[in-house]
Amino acid sequence: EAGVAQSPRYKIIEKRQSVAFWCNPISGHATLYWYQQILGQGPKLLIQFQNNGVVDDSQLPKDRFSAERLKGVDSTLKIQPAKLEDSAVYLCASSFDRVAYEQYFGPGTRLTVT
Amino acid sequence: QKEVEQDPGPLSVPEGAIVSLNCTYSNSAFQYFMWYRQYSRKGPELLMYTYSSGNKEDGRFTAQVDKSSKYISLFIRDSQPSDSATYLCAPGAGGGSNYKLTFGKGTLLTVNP
Repeated sequence: EAGVAQSPRYKIIEKRQSVAFWCNPISGHATLYWYQQILGQGPKLLIQFQNNGVVDDSQLPKDRFSAERLKGVDSTLKIQPAKLEDSAVYLCASSFDRVAYEQYFGPGTRLTVT
Repeated sequence: QKEVEQDPGPLSVPEGAIVSLNCTYSNSAFQYFMWYRQYSRKGPELLMYTYSSGNKEDGRFTAQVDKSSKYISLFIRDSQPSDSATYLCAPGAGGGSNYKLTFGKGTLLTVNP
């Protein structure tokens, strides 16, 4: 079974630029999560989708971050404009409805904002 | 008080040692207690988990939860250099198809050959 796919793996941008990350969850997983992991910290949930709908986006800085999940499969997370403090690893995870507590993570996208 | 507290370490042990990794939590609603392993520059990998209180064993790994004291433990027996990684505890709460995990900061473990 293929795991969660993410791209790009690394991205370096200047502050005030925009950036987008892509995620393809495990086949059949209805729930998709985006997490932010700052160096030395545990992952922090940014947004949770179930199929096409947003379940929780309470921790998403909506003035600069946006996310969508078209057709209930792939998802894109965008930052516009980026700030220095956005430097982090952005992790995508997915889970199957019947065992929703089992979240499986992708390799992450390491973002550096200069 | 943070919802999940985890000693960040680092923890360095010789090969073959028994390792104890611990977390405390404050939210009584947590039902599932997950442990993830994260190698450098990789995503977290689900290692094992327990439901409610009790122990669960998987090979060299044992996960333990004491809900009365809100204490979560992961024991690694006969530790190997390949166990060197950051270990994240992540208790979860929710229901149906909607669970949320709250991650600790992670403990960096190095097992020396």
